[in-house]
Amino acid sequence: KQEVTQIPAALSVPEGENLVLNCSFTDSAIYNLQWFRQDPGKGLTSLLLIQSSQREQTSGRLNASLDKSSGRSTLYIAASQPGDSATYLCAVPGGANNLFFGTGTRLTVIP
Amino acid sequence: NAGVTQTPKFRILKIGQSMTLQCTQDMNHNYMYWYRQDPGMGLKLIYYSVGAGITDKGEVPNGYNVSRSTTEDFPLRLELAAPSQTSVYFCASTPPSGGGLEQFFGPGTRLTVL
Repeated sequence: KQEVTQIPAALSVPEGENLVLNCSFTDSAIYNLQWFRQDPGKGLTSLLLIQSSQREQTSGRLNASLDKSSGRSTLYIAASQPGDSATYLCAVPGGANNLFFGTGTRLTVIP
Repeated sequence: NAGVTQTPKFRILKIGQSMTLQCTQDMNHNYMYWYRQDPGMGLKLIYYSVGAGITDKGEVPNGYNVSRSTTEDFPLRLELAAPSQTSVYFCASTPPSGGGLEQFFGPGTRLTVL
């Protein structure tokens, strides 16, 4: 069974800092990986989807990389802002195209 | 498009009561899913459907039932609510091609069973 782990569980950084969130998965036979953002008490917002044939994907200040062979993905956030404070979840698909989720990294950006 | 919509947003149930969580998508997606998210945890799959009339169990199906009579709707039924079902429930869907494409999520239903 696929297991997804995210480290660290929580992260606090001062505004303006660049940061990296980590995601690892046990079964490398995936065809994509998706990063989500979840604000407290809210639903999930899709940030980036990386296909297995890609090594990275960028959207604004966000850059996600994927290394299937090592079972890892990273989400890089440049020049962090207080509005980036949220929980970030990574997820990989299973056999029914469902998603296996990590438990998330709770990010706090301090003004 | 409204995307994936869920009702209600919040609900409090007493032990033993039943209810149906509604999920509708207007994107003509074949695949639909129900997940639950317990505090501090990731999402776990309850049930899924690959098209109208076809449903299957996920990782945590006990205590729930689903139906899929139309492409748009995928309701989740709780028959005898238990405190262990206190959670946030998310419905999601993916486009007709299925794998390799983005999943879209509804805003969630926050359920408390007392």
